[in-house]
This record gives sequence, C-alpha cells and structure tokens, in this order.
Amino acid sequence: DIQMTQSPSSLSASVGDRVTITCQASQDISNHLNWYQHKPGKAPKLLIYDASNLKAGVPSRFSGSGSGADFTFTISSLQPEDIATYFCQQYDNFPFTFGPGTKVDMK
Amino acid sequence: QVQLQESGPGLVKPSETLSLTCTVSGGSISGYYWSWIRQPPGKGLEWIGYIYYSGTTNYNPSLKSRVSISVDTSKNQFSLRLNSVTSADTAVYYCARGGPSLFDPWGQGTLVTVSS
Repeated sequence: DIQMTQSPSSLSASVGDRVTITCQASQDISNHLNWYQHKPGKAPKLLIYDASNLKAGVPSRFSGSGSGADFTFTISSLQPEDIATYFCQQYDNFPFTFGPGTKVDMK
Repeated sequence: QVQLQESGPGLVKPSETLSLTCTVSGGSISGYYWSWIRQPPGKGLEWIGYIYYSGTTNYNPSLKSRVSISVDTSKNQFSLRLNSVTSADTAVYYCARGGPSLFDPWGQGTLVTVSS
C-alpha cells in the first residue's frame, strides 16, 4: 500500500494567516491526489482534486500544488470557518489511502 | 444536490455481521461509483471498497475476505456487510459517491461499536 504522511499534524494560526500543509506519498503518484476538509460531526468535503484543481464553489483561498510524491495544500488567508482537519488521499494505486490529517486551530 | 445518509445498528457483537445502508437523495445512484470508508477512533481513514451502480465491486485487500458491498438501484441505496467483526472494526463508517478517484460528496458518518 502507498503510505501517505502529512505535516504538521496540527497547527494554530490567526485570521488572515497563510497556512501550508504538506503531504508526502511513499512513492510517485503523479498528480493523483485529492484534499478534503473535515469538521467534527460533519461530512468530509472535497476541496482540491488532481493535486491542484479547485472544486467548483470552493473559495479561491484554498489551493493545492505538487506532483510525484510531494504535495502542498495552502489556505492563503485563514478564515474562522476554515477551522477543521484537512487530509490528503491518493488514488494512483489500490487500495486508495489517506493521510493522517492536519488539524487547524485558531490561535 | 446529492446527499448521502448512513443507517444501521450502532452496536454489533463480536463475531457477528455489521450491516449498514447508505441512502442517496437528490440524485440517481445510476452512472456512478459508490464507496464505503471508515475511521477508527484516533486513527486515520481507511477505504473499504466501492461498487459501480451496475454491481461491479472492488475491495481493500485488507478486508476483502470479510466485506461485501451491494447496490439497490430501485431504492437508490447501497449497502455494506462486514462479517466476523472484532473490536478493531469499531469506527465511524462513511459512505461517499466515488472511487476510483475522488470521493464527493460524503455522508456524515455513523459510529459502529463492536462490543458484547
């Protein structure tokens, strides 16, 4: 199985801060990576697909980049409603696997 | 918009079978892949498997011997069965549209506890 790691595991930031999360795959997965947002008790939401494509309707402050084994997810200006856990997911190989998540808190 | 809702028992005894149903509303189950994903307490997400509306399935090898996913297009539902459960199967179980690439949307999830 492809192992996905994320860093940091958690972070605290202020409103307006730029937040960056990294996701690393244990092997080359091309751009076969998605990013999701998960708030407690709610359904996870797809934000970014194919590493860098913003899902329609998702605010433009969210972005993704990378290819191969190293990926980055960025919130350009953190908003209070962005408090959540963010996780990556690869679909290059079966079984699909997820990163452990990065919990974003407000400072 | 499409919405998904998981339903089923919240408590299952060890060695018995876990059964969950996902009801799709706001859209047709036809033409899409549908997945089950779970998250044990304090652990990461694990993809369980997917089914195409026509019935074709693909399962995580780690669970393949115990899992079955089925679809009922007349009811706009798909279901998960996991047999011979142990405490390691205690998790929040999510259904989602998708596989073999992205998952969107997801249900809110339902906690299933395996305990006697």
